[in-house]
Amino acid sequence: DTGVSQNPRHKITKRGQNVTFRCDPISEHNRLYWYRQTLGQGPEFLTYFQNEAQLEKSRLLSDRFSAERPKGSFSTLEIQRTEQGDSAMYLCASSPYRGGRTDTQYFGPGTRLTVL
Amino acid sequence: AQKVTQAQTEISVVEKEDVTLDCVYETRDTTYYLFWYKQPPSGELVFLIRRNSFDEQNEISGRYSWNFQKSTSSFNFTITASQVVDSAVYFCALSSPGAAGNKLTFGGGTRVLVKP
Repeated sequence: DTGVSQNPRHKITKRGQNVTFRCDPISEHNRLYWYRQTLGQGPEFLTYFQNEAQLEKSRLLSDRFSAERPKGSFSTLEIQRTEQGDSAMYLCASSPYRGGRTDTQYFGPGTRLTVL
Repeated sequence: AQKVTQAQTEISVVEKEDVTLDCVYETRDTTYYLFWYKQPPSGELVFLIRRNSFDEQNEISGRYSWNFQKSTSSFNFTITASQVVDSAVYFCALSSPGAAGNKLTFGGGTRVLVKP
């Protein structure tokens, strides 16, 4: 049973550039989450998918951010026109969904973004 | 709104000492779940334990134990006989079926440094 994987692990970009991150969840998990973690803080929720449907987005997710999960498997998170304030660790997590029950979320290793 | 507070920012102990991490939470939901995650220097969040609001039984799992008290909204976590490999940041988190997709709300984390 492979865990959640994320690529790339590190990304350095210049302000104004677009970046895209990928997350591959645990294969049987139909819920997928994105979180952002800045230095010295706990992770903060950004958005989540149930299968291919994006069901909730945090106010933290400005219009420069877009996430997709086209076939209900892997997901991508794109940031357009990056700003220095976007520098953070972007974490992906997945969990099964069994009708109203809260299941444990399992996290990937994260993608650390540095915007110069 | 849900909130998790970890008042201790950093704890330093010598190997074999016990370490207790404090967590206080706020929620209006009657059904909720509490979690502890560990984040070693590699960055990946590792799931440790989970408890639901209907089960206040405290348990021990290996060197880990937890103390859940609804009356004081606390969910404290203890590492017994600490080891150097326990050095990490520990996060307490809260989730409820009423929250978006059971999203996690994290505390700010407590950094544990175990010295040999």
